[in-house]
Amino acid sequence: GESVGLHLPTLSVQEGDNSIINCAYSNSASDYFIWYKQESGKGPQFIIDIRSNMDKRQGQRVTVLLNKTVKHLSLQIAATQPGDSAVYFCAEREAAGNKLTFGGGTRVLVKP
Amino acid sequence: NAGVTQTPKFQVLKTGQSMTLQCAQDMNHNSMYWYRQDPGMGLRLIYYSASEGTTDKGEVPNGYNVSRLNKREFSLRLESAAPSQTSVYFCASSPSRTSSTDTQYFGPGTRLTVL
Repeated sequence: GESVGLHLPTLSVQEGDNSIINCAYSNSASDYFIWYKQESGKGPQFIIDIRSNMDKRQGQRVTVLLNKTVKHLSLQIAATQPGDSAVYFCAEREAAGNKLTFGGGTRVLVKP
Repeated sequence: NAGVTQTPKFQVLKTGQSMTLQCAQDMNHNSMYWYRQDPGMGLRLIYYSASEGTTDKGEVPNGYNVSRLNKREFSLRLESAAPSQTSVYFCASSPSRTSSTDTQYFGPGTRLTVL
């Protein structure tokens, strides 16, 4: 079936460096994508979203890029901080529906 | 405004026991969802409710039942728990039935162990 996946299960990054988390999706009918952050013992927390009619969206220290040609989504975190250590999930939603399909998650470890 | 709340936080069951996981949201959202999260895996949808009075199966509904008690509350019931249902369960809600940008907001989770 359709699925959302991630390329890197664990990403180690030096504090202050930029982080890039990648996600591949396979459902060409998806029109909405979200990145969530999940800290240990907590529920997923919304970070940023993007609609399929956009290719870039920026938030506070985060940027999401969408490449529909190759069905690729990425999350960039600028100046990574210790508080950014968490598991990051991408999720996609098929047009005309309200169900999200989640990827497997990437763990980001920030080294001091 | 507490957002999405879940009870209990932790639960241990024996095989064959039943229990109900409770979820409530105070954001006046129409849609509510139940997910399970297993180690090394993403969230998988069990059931969802697009509006009060309606429920639909998700990806992994077997062994579960749900009740949308009112707009605020959405419960998940395990009638006869099995070890394969050991997982962390998350409830979520979103504002509208269908929306072009409809973010889901998650509760803190219930960690369930079935022995």
